[in-house]
Amino acid sequence: AQKVTQAQTEISVVEKEDVTLDCVYETRDTTYYLFWYKQPPSGELVFLIRRNSFDEQNEISGRYSWNFQKSTSSFNFTITASQVVDSAVYFCALSEAGSSASKIIFGSGTRLSIRP
Amino acid sequence: GAVVSQHPSRVICKSGTSVKIECRSLDFQATTMFWYRQFPKKSLMLMATSNEGSKATYEQGVEKDKFLINHASLTLSTLTVTSAHPEDSSFYICSASSRQALLEQYFGPGTRLTVT
Repeated sequence: AQKVTQAQTEISVVEKEDVTLDCVYETRDTTYYLFWYKQPPSGELVFLIRRNSFDEQNEISGRYSWNFQKSTSSFNFTITASQVVDSAVYFCALSEAGSSASKIIFGSGTRLSIRP
Repeated sequence: GAVVSQHPSRVICKSGTSVKIECRSLDFQATTMFWYRQFPKKSLMLMATSNEGSKATYEQGVEKDKFLINHASLTLSTLTVTSAHPEDSSFYICSASSRQALLEQYFGPGTRLTVT
């Protein structure tokens, strides 16, 4: 069965600190996709990244970076030099690959608060 | 990117009444649409998957007679909460993907339902 675990329920840091959000997943599939989404107070989900299971290269996008390690089934997300606008709930998610659109399984989310 | 809209964004209804939520893909043909439910401070839980022209596939524990899903066209899916009760109050989010881009799942902005 597929499962996504975000052990950190809430994180609070002071602005400009770096912060890492952990994500551990379980799947029996050899081909799958991992995602991170941001959900600000408005509720609308903001897509951040999709990574397929064959691409373990780390990715950096501005202040955001992602570390994918299949050996530990982890897909961690780091925000460098955090800002107040980064405050939101962040979801890690998993989807199977297939010939049809696949459902996305979400983790429980990490509520990130950046204090000025 | 592709846009998915939901209407209404907020709705308040009385217990015992039915309420319909619309999910529209504005610039692509959505062959598959997903409906999620999110309780306050909780994760998104998939309710059902609907393919255009077919009956929806419901997740375990979701009452199909209570949450009626119709996906009659390639741009519109509707979720009707029948005989709503206060425990149905939640944030409902739809997502859509096309046959040409199975990996791309675009989320709507969500509908906040309050049943009084």
